[in-house]
Amino acid sequence: GDSVTQMEGPVTLSEEAFLTINCTYTATGYPSLFWYVQYPGEGLQLLLKATKADDKGSNKGFEATYRKETTSFHLEKGSVQVSDSAVYFCALSDHFGNEKLTFGTGTRLTIIP
Amino acid sequence: DSGVTQTPKHLITATGQRVTLRCSPRSGDLSVYWYQQSLDQGLQFLIQYYNGEERAKGNILERFSAQQFPDLHSELNLSSLELGDSALYFCASSVAPGTQNTEAFFGQGTRLTVV
Repeated sequence: GDSVTQMEGPVTLSEEAFLTINCTYTATGYPSLFWYVQYPGEGLQLLLKATKADDKGSNKGFEATYRKETTSFHLEKGSVQVSDSAVYFCALSDHFGNEKLTFGTGTRLTIIP
Repeated sequence: DSGVTQTPKHLITATGQRVTLRCSPRSGDLSVYWYQQSLDQGLQFLIQYYNGEERAKGNILERFSAQQFPDLHSELNLSSLELGDSALYFCASSVAPGTQNTEAFFGQGTRLTVV
């Protein structure tokens, strides 16, 4: 079945550092790929998505590119802020994000001032 | 605010008991999903309803059941509760399956503690 493997955390960075959180997937067909973020005490929010190979999703300075050849969707940000501290989940779905999501284990990110 | 409302926010109950979690989807959304988030299993898909009908089933135990009512709100029933059922239960909603360029919106979750 479908699966998502995500970089183990926790990750601690200083403010303005470069961030990469690795994500690889296994799926049949052509899944859509997502990054969700969970702030303390809140539900999950969609951060960005990509629905086909070579698409780049971007939002709030975060980016991720759908790489079919390496089955990856790594999350990057050039300069992190304290407010980026949260848990980040990589996920995939079969059809345009409206079917069930398969999540990675989540990566807890802490940014130190 | 995602527009998805879950009640209650917190629930503490004893082993063997039965509880009902409620979810009101965003206005206009027809599809409802339930997920369980636990420390050992991570975030797992339980079940999906679309316009009142079950559409997909994931790792949902037989002790758990769900339904979606005509007004589109959904309830997740958990019975014969065990300590291992303690988790955060999320509801999400979306417009309809297979619709391009839309997303699932998540509620804030119900934290269930079984003692």
